[in-house]
Amino acid sequence: AQSVTQLGSHVSVSEGALVLLRCNYSSSVPPYLFWYVQYPNQGLQLLLKYTSAATLVKGINGFEAEFKKSETSFHLTKPSAHMSDAAEYFCAVSSDTGGFKTIFGAGTRLFVKA
Amino acid sequence: GAVVSQHPSWVICKSGTSVKIECRSLDFQATTMFWYRQFPKQSLMLMATSNEGSKATYEQGVEKDKFLINHASLTLSTLTVTSAHPEDSSFYICSASSTGRTEAFFGQGTRLTVV
Repeated sequence: AQSVTQLGSHVSVSEGALVLLRCNYSSSVPPYLFWYVQYPNQGLQLLLKYTSAATLVKGINGFEAEFKKSETSFHLTKPSAHMSDAAEYFCAVSSDTGGFKTIFGAGTRLFVKA
Repeated sequence: GAVVSQHPSWVICKSGTSVKIECRSLDFQATTMFWYRQFPKQSLMLMATSNEGSKATYEQGVEKDKFLINHASLTLSTLTVTSAHPEDSSFYICSASSTGRTEAFFGQGTRLTVV
């Protein structure tokens, strides 16, 4: 079974500050991990994914995440927040068993203050 | 890249009627498709998994007679919401995967409003 826990339903940062969104996973098989962003009334956009290659993954819009197996974590970071980063972020887990059924965390709403 | 398209993007229907949502993989053959539901300010909840030519597997608590899923070809899955009620109003999203890929690809979603 797989699950994801996102710590903090809301995160608020100032423009230009570091963004850190936390994600911990549970998986009985080697996981594939993802971060998606969702803007209001829109679908999902893939930010980045970990698929058992490099543990530090770089994504779009300056985001990156590090897979830490010992901590079962996959936290998302961005050095400098921009107003346009304000959105809902979902961490998700899947595996190649079960056809890549994707399980989502509860989501973290990121607010960016001017 | 791999593209998944849903149709329609939004639909309004009257209470008691049925509505069909299509999910198509445009440039690959999808051996497995998934349907999710997202209520406002909530996460995506998996409703069911469908494999081409097989009956869908529904998650616990999802009424299979209300949410009919058909995956008749490797590029098309449909979700039919039967006898829709206002509480079925939601954002429905599909995803598709295939052998040899490392992720499932998501459609843009369909917003269903039942009035």
